[in-house]
Amino acid sequence: KAGVTQTPRYLIKTRGQQVTLSCSPISGHRSVSWYQQTPGQGLQFLFEYFSETQRNKGNFPGRFSGRQFSNSRSEMNVSTLELGDSALYLCASGSGSTQYFGPGTRLTVL
Amino acid sequence: QKEVEQNSGPLSVPEGAIASLNCTYSDRGSQSFFWYRQYSGKSPELIMSIYSNGDKEDGRFTAQLNKASQYVSLLIRDSQPSDSATYLCAVNVNYGGSQGNLIFGKGTKLSVKP
Repeated sequence: KAGVTQTPRYLIKTRGQQVTLSCSPISGHRSVSWYQQTPGQGLQFLFEYFSETQRNKGNFPGRFSGRQFSNSRSEMNVSTLELGDSALYLCASGSGSTQYFGPGTRLTVL
Repeated sequence: QKEVEQNSGPLSVPEGAIASLNCTYSDRGSQSFFWYRQYSGKSPELIMSIYSNGDKEDGRFTAQLNKASQYVSLLIRDSQPSDSATYLCAVNVNYGGSQGNLIFGKGTKLSVKP
């Protein structure tokens, strides 16, 4: 079974731009969660989608948004990028409460 | 504020020894507990899950859960240099059916010396 895939793997953007990251879950998994990982804050939950509905949301500003498609693929968008948004963005595909992570997208904001 | 606490380390053990990693959590409603291993520059990899009090063994790994003490641990027997990584403790509190919200500790960096 193929694992979680994320594209792109690396991104460099400048402040004020917006970015869209994509995640394809493990086949058959309907839950997709997004996390941000930084050296200072560690891994923090952004949001979870299940069957195209946002089921839970973490404590992040409205600049962070996401969606899920009927095939369970998910995208997250960050608008008006700030330097502090530089991080590893991880997508996790869920079966129950067990989650499997993709390789991540490394975002650098200059 | 739901929290998961881990010693940041580094924890250094000689090859062949037992490495003991500990984690405490604040929310008594927590239902599922996980250990992830993360190598430098890579994403977290699930190595153990535990849901009920007691021990769960899988190869060289043993997870221990004590809900009364709000404590989870991971033992790695016969530690190998390839076990050198950061170990992340994660806890799930299933609010309103949401199972995809894991709260992570900051991780413990383990170094196994040959």
